[in-house]
Amino acid sequence: EVQLQQSGPELVKPGASVKISCKTSGYTFTEYTMHWVKQSHGKSLEWIGGINPNNGGTSYNQKFKGKATLTVDKSSSTAYMELRSLTSEDSAVYYCARGSLLGHWYFDVWGAGTTVTVSS
Amino acid sequence: DIQMTQSPASLSASVGETVTITCRASENIYSYLAWYQQKQGKSPQLLVYNAKTLAEGVPSRFSGSGSGTQFSLKINSLQPEDFGSYYCQHHYGTPLTFGAGTKLELK
Repeated sequence: EVQLQQSGPELVKPGASVKISCKTSGYTFTEYTMHWVKQSHGKSLEWIGGINPNNGGTSYNQKFKGKATLTVDKSSSTAYMELRSLTSEDSAVYYCARGSLLGHWYFDVWGAGTTVTVSS
Repeated sequence: DIQMTQSPASLSASVGETVTITCRASENIYSYLAWYQQKQGKSPQLLVYNAKTLAEGVPSRFSGSGSGTQFSLKINSLQPEDFGSYYCQHHYGTPLTFGAGTKLELK
């Protein structure tokens, strides 16, 4: 069974950074891209960006450049997203989601989400 | 960025009814359109991609149609498990963008 297991909820202070993880199983990690999607409370979905685990190549939504950094660890089949300089606007649920290697990305498998709360 | 406009924003229907949700793209996205279902407190689940291809395991009462800028998701004979929120997403290029969602509620 294909699974994306995300790390637990985070409570972080304004101005700090947080790194959340997405550990994959049930498929070959390097045969798909991994993407991150933000969902603010009660709102719609925003694509943050995606990464190709083969070469670390990334594609970011311009809105999140400078805010998010995507990385992978092929040895553990895990994807990571670091968010920096956090403000209350970054409080949201963040999902990892699997996409194809070929572009025209839609997401066939999603993680359960990681809730990030930014509060002093 | 391509804007995705969904309608209606909310919809009340009964079990057994047929409903249609529409999604309009601000420019031509050919057939690069996906639909997701999201239940309260859960992650989105892929229903349709390439405008009309059902994802694995999705019941045949769901169907997608459209091309260019106008798309729709039709659900025949609504079942209790179909209630929740639905989102469209273009997958033509980057940035990928989603519609604002349609909340399907039980009448």
